[in-house]
Amino acid sequence: DVKVTQSSRYLVKRTGEKVFLECVQDMDHENMFWYRQDPGLGLRLIYFSYDVKMKEKGDIPEGYSVSREKKERFSLILESASTNQTSMYLCASSQRDRETQYFGPGTRLLVL
Amino acid sequence: SQQGEEDPQALSIQEGENATMNCSYKTSINNLQWYRQNSGRGLVHLILIRSNEREKHSGRLRVTLDTSKKSSSLLITASRAADTASYFCPQTGANNLFFGTGTRLTVIP
Repeated sequence: DVKVTQSSRYLVKRTGEKVFLECVQDMDHENMFWYRQDPGLGLRLIYFSYDVKMKEKGDIPEGYSVSREKKERFSLILESASTNQTSMYLCASSQRDRETQYFGPGTRLLVL
Repeated sequence: SQQGEEDPQALSIQEGENATMNCSYKTSINNLQWYRQNSGRGLVHLILIRSNEREKHSGRLRVTLDTSKKSSSLLITASRAADTASYFCPQTGANNLFFGTGTRLTVIP
Protein backbone atom coordinates (compact mmCIF):
# COMPACT_ATOMS: atom_id res chain seq x y z
CA ASP A 1 0.00 0.00 0.00
CA VAL A 2 1.07 3.53 -0.69
CA LYS A 3 2.01 5.35 2.43
CA VAL A 4 2.26 9.10 2.77
CA THR A 5 3.28 10.35 6.18
CA GLN A 6 3.32 13.85 7.60
CA SER A 7 5.61 14.87 10.42
CA SER A 8 2.94 16.13 12.80
CA ARG A 9 -0.81 15.69 13.24
CA TYR A 10 -1.18 18.86 15.30
CA LEU A 11 1.09 21.86 15.54
CA VAL A 12 0.83 25.12 17.46
CA LYS A 13 3.12 28.01 16.50
CA ARG A 14 3.39 31.69 17.21
CA THR A 15 3.05 34.51 14.70
CA GLY A 16 6.36 35.19 13.00
CA GLU A 17 7.86 31.76 13.61
CA LYS A 18 9.34 29.77 10.75
CA VAL A 19 7.41 26.54 10.37
CA PHE A 20 8.45 23.34 8.58
CA LEU A 21 5.93 20.72 7.56
CA GLU A 22 7.45 17.49 6.32
CA CYS A 23 5.92 14.91 4.03
CA VAL A 24 7.40 11.55 3.07
CA GLN A 25 6.08 8.98 0.59
CA ASP A 26 7.36 5.46 0.14
CA MET A 27 6.11 4.61 -3.36
CA ASP A 28 8.76 6.29 -5.48
CA HIS A 29 6.19 8.74 -6.83
CA GLU A 30 7.44 11.52 -9.03
CA ASN A 31 4.80 14.07 -8.08
CA MET A 32 4.15 15.55 -4.68
CA PHE A 33 1.63 18.19 -3.62
CA TRP A 34 0.83 20.47 -0.72
CA TYR A 35 -2.76 21.62 -0.15
CA ARG A 36 -4.49 23.55 2.54
CA GLN A 37 -8.08 22.87 3.47
CA ASP A 38 -10.36 25.44 5.04
CA PRO A 39 -14.08 25.24 5.82
CA GLY A 40 -16.19 26.34 2.86
CA LEU A 41 -13.18 26.63 0.56
CA GLY A 42 -12.33 23.01 -0.14
CA LEU A 43 -8.75 22.01 -0.87
CA ARG A 44 -6.49 24.58 -2.46
CA LEU A 45 -3.14 23.77 -3.99
CA ILE A 46 -0.17 25.63 -2.53
CA TYR A 47 2.76 24.08 -4.41
CA PHE A 48 3.58 20.91 -6.24
CA SER A 49 6.74 19.21 -7.40
CA TYR A 50 7.16 16.82 -10.31
CA ASP A 51 10.77 15.92 -9.68
CA VAL A 52 13.62 16.41 -7.27
CA LYS A 53 14.54 20.09 -6.94
CA MET A 54 11.61 21.04 -9.19
CA LYS A 55 8.62 23.00 -7.95
CA GLU A 56 5.67 24.86 -9.35
CA LYS A 57 3.31 27.31 -7.72
CA GLY A 58 -0.25 26.31 -7.16
CA ASP A 59 -3.22 28.57 -6.55
CA ILE A 60 -2.13 30.11 -3.26
CA PRO A 61 1.70 30.09 -2.94
CA GLU A 62 2.01 33.45 -1.15
CA GLY A 63 3.63 33.12 2.25
CA TYR A 64 4.89 29.61 1.55
CA SER A 65 7.95 27.98 0.05
CA VAL A 66 8.83 24.36 -0.59
CA SER A 67 11.86 22.12 -0.78
CA ARG A 68 12.37 18.81 -2.52
CA GLU A 69 15.92 17.62 -2.07
CA LYS A 70 15.05 13.92 -2.21
CA LYS A 71 12.39 12.16 -4.24
CA GLU A 72 10.53 10.81 -1.24
CA ARG A 73 10.42 14.03 0.79
CA PHE A 74 8.57 17.28 0.16
CA SER A 75 8.72 20.05 2.72
CA LEU A 76 6.41 23.02 3.10
CA ILE A 77 7.89 26.07 4.77
CA LEU A 78 6.03 28.98 6.27
CA GLU A 79 8.71 31.65 6.32
CA SER A 80 6.94 33.81 8.91
CA ALA A 81 3.74 32.24 10.17
CA SER A 82 0.65 34.38 10.34
CA THR A 83 -2.75 33.73 11.90
CA ASN A 84 -4.38 33.42 8.48
CA GLN A 85 -2.23 30.37 7.86
CA THR A 86 -4.08 28.47 10.55
CA SER A 87 -5.44 25.56 8.56
CA MET A 88 -5.34 21.86 7.81
CA TYR A 89 -2.38 21.04 5.55
CA LEU A 90 -2.52 17.96 3.37
CA CYS A 91 0.32 16.39 1.45
CA ALA A 92 -0.24 14.06 -1.49
CA SER A 93 1.81 12.12 -4.00
CA SER A 94 1.12 10.54 -7.36
CA GLN A 95 2.81 8.77 -10.21
CA ARG A 96 3.76 10.80 -13.22
CA ASP A 97 0.35 10.35 -14.90
CA ARG A 98 -1.12 12.39 -12.02
CA GLU A 99 -4.51 10.73 -12.15
CA THR A 100 -4.72 9.35 -8.62
CA GLN A 101 -3.28 11.15 -5.64
CA TYR A 102 -2.47 9.50 -2.32
CA PHE A 103 -2.86 11.68 0.73
CA GLY A 104 -1.20 11.87 4.07
CA PRO A 105 -3.25 12.15 7.29
CA GLY A 106 -2.92 15.94 7.41
CA THR A 107 -1.37 18.43 9.81
CA ARG A 108 -3.68 20.75 11.66
CA LEU A 109 -1.70 23.95 12.23
CA LEU A 110 -2.76 26.63 14.67
CA VAL A 111 -0.90 29.95 14.53
CA LEU A 112 -1.42 32.12 17.58
CA SER B 1 -13.90 27.65 -11.81
CA GLN B 2 -12.29 24.39 -12.74
CA GLN B 3 -13.23 22.44 -9.66
CA GLY B 4 -15.71 19.60 -9.49
CA GLU B 5 -18.83 20.57 -7.59
CA GLU B 6 -20.59 18.12 -5.34
CA ASP B 7 -24.28 18.13 -4.51
CA PRO B 8 -25.91 18.09 -2.04
CA GLN B 9 -23.62 19.85 0.41
CA ALA B 10 -24.90 17.61 3.20
CA LEU B 11 -26.84 14.35 3.35
CA SER B 12 -28.11 12.45 6.36
CA ILE B 13 -29.48 8.89 6.13
CA GLN B 14 -30.20 5.88 8.32
CA GLU B 15 -27.82 2.96 8.39
CA GLY B 16 -28.77 0.42 5.73
CA GLU B 17 -30.19 3.01 3.34
CA ASN B 18 -28.55 3.95 0.07
CA ALA B 19 -26.80 7.29 -0.38
CA THR B 20 -26.52 9.11 -3.68
CA MET B 21 -24.39 12.15 -4.27
CA ASN B 22 -23.79 14.03 -7.47
CA CYS B 23 -20.96 15.82 -9.14
CA SER B 24 -20.90 18.37 -11.93
CA TYR B 25 -17.88 19.64 -13.78
CA LYS B 26 -17.26 22.27 -16.39
CA THR B 27 -14.52 21.21 -18.79
CA SER B 28 -14.04 18.00 -20.77
CA ILE B 29 -12.37 15.17 -18.89
CA ASN B 30 -10.33 12.03 -19.51
CA ASN B 31 -11.47 10.54 -16.25
CA LEU B 32 -13.23 11.40 -13.02
CA GLN B 33 -12.34 10.28 -9.54
CA TRP B 34 -14.13 10.12 -6.22
CA TYR B 35 -12.37 10.53 -2.88
CA ARG B 36 -13.53 10.14 0.71
CA GLN B 37 -12.34 12.11 3.73
CA ASN B 38 -13.15 10.99 7.23
CA SER B 39 -13.40 13.78 9.75
CA GLY B 40 -10.07 15.52 10.30
CA ARG B 41 -8.13 13.03 8.20
CA GLY B 42 -6.54 12.80 4.78
CA LEU B 43 -8.38 11.88 1.62
CA VAL B 44 -8.67 8.34 0.34
CA HIS B 45 -9.11 7.50 -3.33
CA LEU B 46 -12.27 5.46 -3.90
CA ILE B 47 -12.75 4.94 -7.60
CA LEU B 48 -11.80 6.29 -11.02
CA ILE B 49 -14.07 6.19 -14.05
CA ARG B 50 -12.77 6.95 -17.52
CA SER B 51 -14.58 9.15 -19.99
CA ASN B 52 -15.45 6.17 -22.22
CA GLU B 53 -17.11 4.34 -19.33
CA ARG B 54 -20.70 4.92 -18.23
CA GLU B 55 -20.77 2.95 -15.02
CA LYS B 56 -18.30 1.35 -12.67
CA HIS B 57 -18.68 -0.74 -9.51
CA SER B 58 -16.41 -1.30 -6.56
CA GLY B 59 -17.89 -3.22 -3.66
CA ARG B 60 -20.83 -1.19 -2.35
CA LEU B 61 -19.93 1.77 -4.57
CA ARG B 62 -21.45 2.46 -7.95
CA VAL B 63 -20.32 5.40 -10.04
CA THR B 64 -21.99 6.65 -13.18
CA LEU B 65 -20.69 9.17 -15.66
CA ASP B 66 -22.65 11.20 -18.20
CA THR B 67 -20.18 13.18 -20.27
CA SER B 68 -22.97 14.84 -22.28
CA LYS B 69 -24.28 16.40 -19.07
CA LYS B 70 -20.84 16.76 -17.49
CA SER B 71 -22.05 14.97 -14.41
CA SER B 72 -21.34 11.93 -12.29
CA SER B 73 -23.04 10.24 -9.39
CA LEU B 74 -21.76 8.10 -6.55
CA LEU B 75 -24.12 5.57 -5.01
CA ILE B 76 -23.25 3.87 -1.73
CA THR B 77 -25.52 0.92 -1.10
CA ALA B 78 -26.43 -0.50 2.31
CA SER B 79 -24.70 2.35 4.11
CA ARG B 80 -22.83 1.87 7.37
CA ALA B 81 -21.90 4.28 10.14
CA ALA B 82 -18.30 4.02 8.94
CA ASP B 83 -19.36 5.61 5.62
CA THR B 84 -19.85 8.89 7.48
CA ALA B 85 -17.40 11.18 5.72
CA SER B 86 -17.06 13.91 3.12
CA TYR B 87 -16.98 12.84 -0.52
CA PHE B 88 -15.21 14.73 -3.30
CA CYS B 89 -15.07 14.52 -7.09
CA PRO B 90 -12.10 16.65 -8.11
CA GLN B 91 -11.64 17.67 -11.68
CA THR B 92 -8.34 16.79 -13.30
CA GLY B 93 -6.41 19.78 -14.55
CA ALA B 94 -3.14 20.02 -16.45
CA ASN B 95 -1.04 19.71 -13.34
CA ASN B 96 -3.39 18.97 -10.55
CA LEU B 97 -6.77 18.01 -9.16
CA PHE B 98 -9.27 20.75 -8.45
CA PHE B 99 -11.35 19.97 -5.39
CA GLY B 100 -14.72 21.40 -4.42
CA THR B 101 -16.11 21.51 -0.91
CA GLY B 102 -17.58 18.00 -1.05
CA THR B 103 -20.75 16.31 0.14
CA ARG B 104 -20.88 15.67 3.85
CA LEU B 105 -22.58 12.30 4.42
CA THR B 106 -23.82 11.33 7.87
CA VAL B 107 -25.01 7.77 8.40
CA ILE B 108 -27.07 7.45 11.55
CA PRO B 109 -26.73 4.09 13.35
